[in-house]
Amino acid sequence: SAVISQKPSRDICQRGTSLTIQCQVDSQVTMMFWYRQQPGQSLTLIATANQGSEATYESGFVIDKFPISRPNLTFSTLTVSNMSPEDSSIYLCSAGTSGSGLYNEQFFGPGTRLTVL
Amino acid sequence: AQSVTQLDSHVSVSEGTPVLLRCNYSSSYSPSLFWYVQHPNKGLQLLLKYTSAATLVKGINGFEAEFKKSETSFHLTKPSAHMSDAAEYFCVVSGGTSYGKLTFGQGTILTVHP
Repeated sequence: SAVISQKPSRDICQRGTSLTIQCQVDSQVTMMFWYRQQPGQSLTLIATANQGSEATYESGFVIDKFPISRPNLTFSTLTVSNMSPEDSSIYLCSAGTSGSGLYNEQFFGPGTRLTVL
Repeated sequence: AQSVTQLDSHVSVSEGTPVLLRCNYSSSYSPSLFWYVQHPNKGLQLLLKYTSAATLVKGINGFEAEFKKSETSFHLTKPSAHMSDAAEYFCVVSGGTSYGKLTFGQGTILTVHP
């Protein structure tokens, strides 16, 4: 398994500002992902963070709003840009272990709870 | 395309009684299926996974799930609920490709009464 940490654990931000969330994995992993969990909702995949190339975004999510970096096999960042109250959510990072292959098992970070005023 | 339907948004049981959380899935591929648990203000923890081996899968904390292809179901059960089982449970499907995309159900909140 992989142990994943996220920073910050929570933040309160003003509308119009941006926040960068960091995700650190304790081992090299093939795949890293970013999810959003809106209040009272399930998880929705934002994008796949690709090492050395641009992230792959899901329908409804765009790079200008959620730029993602993945400089190496253990670290990724998600920025929430030009925030509005609708961006208030928990943002979770996940990682697929290098041995998971076709099974797509993912391990999740503790999440970042974002409140936008 | 893949999707997951969790048939109950809330389940309430008494401590010591059986737990049943229902999940139906749809997938264009031979699916991988998972159950995750999320305790309040905690991260997601993997309970168990089905990956085309045994259809009855045993997980942590006494939970198990049975994959029934004919019914496209993957219900989660536990013989005897414990207070610490109170949490939200997510049924998750993966399309079985190496891409790794997970699709989450809407979640079932389990309440355990003393």
